[in-house]
Amino acid sequence: NAGVTQTPKFRILKIGQSMTLQCTQDMNHNYMYWYRQDPGMGLKLIYYSVGAGITDKGEVPNGYNVSRSTTEDFPLRLELAAPSQTSVYFCASSTPQGLGELFFGEGSRLTVL
Amino acid sequence: AQKVTQAQTEISVVEKEDVTLDCVYETRDTTYYLFWYKQPPSGELVFLIRRNSFDEQNEISGRYSWNFQKSTSSFNFTITASQVVDSAVYFCALSEAESGGGADGLTFGKGTHLIIQP
Repeated sequence: NAGVTQTPKFRILKIGQSMTLQCTQDMNHNYMYWYRQDPGMGLKLIYYSVGAGITDKGEVPNGYNVSRSTTEDFPLRLELAAPSQTSVYFCASSTPQGLGELFFGEGSRLTVL
Repeated sequence: AQKVTQAQTEISVVEKEDVTLDCVYETRDTTYYLFWYKQPPSGELVFLIRRNSFDEQNEISGRYSWNFQKSTSSFNFTITASQVVDSAVYFCALSEAESGGGADGLTFGKGTHLIIQP
């Protein structure tokens, strides 16, 4: 079972570059999320989506964009990367009935130099 | 707004000791869910437990137990007879069923890094 798959697992960017973190899930979950994890700071919600075509901002959306054209995919776009975006990014999914139980991907470690 | 506080940044114990991880939460909802997740050194996040706000019964699963007390807004996690494999970062999290509808994700605490020494 693949579950939630994120790519790439590691990436180094230069300041000002752009990139997309890919996330796909094969569990037919309606809800999908992007979190970032900084050392000692827990996980903070960047964007979320309750279904195809619907996205909403979380706690820390600045510098990021998302789209949800299909149920399976929820890519996160970083425009004009900044050192403050150095972090570990987690994609997650859940069902409405899951009542908050999230299934996480393995994470993507991004460094901006 | 909701908030989850894990005051213990790091705990180090010797194997076979019991250890309790503290979690205090704030919410204005009367219906909410509390969670614990484990993040081992490999980095993935593993779901451990979900508790709803109407169920204050303590839960035990093997060496793990959880104590939910609404009166003190706490949801503490105890590992009995700890093992080296329990070494991980543990996160407490909250989902507000009313204001967020359960769809806007979880609010996480900052995590407690648990080190079990052999």
